[in-house]
Amino acid sequence: NAGVTQTPKFRILKIGQSMTLQCAQDMNHNYMYWYRQDPGMGLKLIYYSVGAGITDKGEVPNGYNVSRSTTEDFPLRLELAAPSQTSVYFCASSYGGSTGNTIYFGEGSWLTVV
Amino acid sequence: DQQVKQNSPSLSVQEGRISILNCDYTNSMFDYFLWYKKYPAEGPTFLISISSIKDKNEDGRFTVFLNKSAKHLSLHIVPSQPGDSAVYFCAASKNNFNKFYFGSGTKLNVKP
Repeated sequence: NAGVTQTPKFRILKIGQSMTLQCAQDMNHNYMYWYRQDPGMGLKLIYYSVGAGITDKGEVPNGYNVSRSTTEDFPLRLELAAPSQTSVYFCASSYGGSTGNTIYFGEGSWLTVV
Repeated sequence: DQQVKQNSPSLSVQEGRISILNCDYTNSMFDYFLWYKKYPAEGPTFLISISSIKDKNEDGRFTVFLNKSAKHLSLHIVPSQPGDSAVYFCAASKNNFNKFYFGSGTKLNVKP
């Protein structure tokens, strides 16, 4: 059971370039999330999805886009990368919507924008 | 606007002693809380949770206490072990469980 899988693990982007961080989960979870963690800071929610075809903004959505065409996949798109997007990105998933819910994280994607 | 705060960036404890990690929140609508543990270069892993209908939840060496009136929760680790050395995040959510708000983390160092 792979859980939540993110690719790539490391990436260096030039300012203005675009890229997609891939995320897949095999736990049949309805809810999926993208977080970023800046040095010395907590996890900030970028976008989340409560099911295929449904996405919503989190705390820091600017500069990012997401789509959720299947239950398993939740890619995060960075358009026109900026140095402020240098961060560690975590994808996560959960059953959602009930007491006892927990979220499961991927191992993270380290992104540097130069 | 940080809705979940962990005011101690680091904590050092001797092996075998108690570790107490603290977390404060500002939103009285939060009713479900979790603690996560994170090792370097890995994703956070779930440790323990507590619902607002309880004031204590225990799982082995880990106990979480919730004080709703003070909007404060704490994680107790007894006894602390060197393998517990990691960054600990607390997180909170409202009744829809769609969004989890995380604190900035506390780095725990358990000395042998």
